[in-house]
Amino acid sequence: LAKTTQPISMDSYEGQEVNITCSHNNIATNDYITWYQQFPSQGPRFIIQGYKTKVTNEVASLFIPADRKSSTLSLPRVSLSDTAVYYCLVVSDRGSTLGRLYFGRGTQLTVWP
Amino acid sequence: GVTQSPTHLIKTRGQQVTLRCSSQSGHNTVSWYQQALGQGPQFIFQYYREEENGRGNFPPRFSGLQFPNDSSELNVNALELDDSALYLCASSLDVTRNTEAFFGQGTRLTVV
Repeated sequence: LAKTTQPISMDSYEGQEVNITCSHNNIATNDYITWYQQFPSQGPRFIIQGYKTKVTNEVASLFIPADRKSSTLSLPRVSLSDTAVYYCLVVSDRGSTLGRLYFGRGTQLTVWP
Repeated sequence: GVTQSPTHLIKTRGQQVTLRCSSQSGHNTVSWYQQALGQGPQFIFQYYREEENGRGNFPPRFSGLQFPNDSSELNVNALELDDSALYLCASSLDVTRNTEAFFGQGTRLTVV
């Protein structure tokens, strides 16, 4: 599976837009990019998943360029409750690793008042 | 949702422990993860329709069971101090498709 690289930490203020970029240079054709959010002492929670171009849901947007070697999670107008660790994962759509999630250390986002 | 029990547990080195998980109804795939402090969750193993369907880099003293009633267990024998971690259970609809995983709140295991 492709290894992912993302910043260890980011800071923002309430009401700002936050963009977290993830690098996945060795992504394979059958791989999807998936983001999870985790609050302290809780399990991760699925945010968004995409294959290419742009995906948007009620929580976030995910931008994936044509070469798919990176992706950017965009959180619009963050609030204090968005303070959490955000994980970028490359998830295979087939083969022996299907359904398994391989987490890195994630990005600790801290939102200040 | 996915629920795990107990929420916290303290065990002594060398003992055995069983952690329990109740999956989301209708999900046929359960995976277990270990999360050490400050790290991301690490894949332990996955069960699909009551059979082990893959294992991460964990020794055989980590074992599991999946039952047809949406419940699962993670068993750890001969506990070591390094086994202290948050253990997470995740269920998903179907391992044959790339679907969202739903995590429980975890069991915090402390080995002393």
